[in-house]
Amino acid sequence: QLQLQESGPGLVKPSETLSLTCTVSGGSISGGSYYWGWIRQPPGGGLEWIASVYYSGSTYYNPSLKSRVTISVDTSKNQFSLRLTSVTAADTAMYFCARAGGGYEPFDYWGLGTLVTVSS
Amino acid sequence: EIVMTQSPATLSVSPGERATLSCRASQSVSSNLAWYQQKPGQAPRLLIYGASTRATGIPARFSGSGSGTEFTLTISSLQSEDFAVYYCQQYNNWSPLTFGGGTKVEIK
Repeated sequence: QLQLQESGPGLVKPSETLSLTCTVSGGSISGGSYYWGWIRQPPGGGLEWIASVYYSGSTYYNPSLKSRVTISVDTSKNQFSLRLTSVTAADTAMYFCARAGGGYEPFDYWGLGTLVTVSS
Repeated sequence: EIVMTQSPATLSVSPGERATLSCRASQSVSSNLAWYQQKPGQAPRLLIYGASTRATGIPARFSGSGSGTEFTLTISSLQSEDFAVYYCQQYNNWSPLTFGGGTKVEIK
């Protein structure tokens, strides 16, 4: 059974960089035509796609966040990562990592999520 | 950006009754539309993809329909475990992938 697990600091100071890692177990991150993504959800709010990466390293970003976001993949560790720079309180959210089955596929496996709070 | 609009925002339904949720896209997404269920403190769970195909393990009381810009999720007979928030998502256009604002299905 494929499992995804987010990890990273739960508290980040304003103007600093948020860094999260998603570890994939029960399958290989490079084992098929999968896209690996990050989605966030502010407290009491809806879902916002941040970025996705293909195992080969091709990246796709939400234009609204593109200037601050970097997504990357490390196939040797079966992980992919998110960096979000210059964070503000508006970036406080639950961050989920997830897998999409292909370029025109939904997110079929999700991590449990990790809450990141931006506060001094 | 393709804007996904869900209605109603909240739906009050009695157990055993039918629930009908709507999702409208600001431009055609073909059949590249998914529905997710989210319960408090949990990650979203994929229910429907391709507008009408149930994901693995999803009960038959969940059904999806529509194409282009108008989509519907129907829960034929609500069970206690179905009270949750439901989101639609288009994956036809990656710039960006977008979700609807959600419909909360609550107990009447």
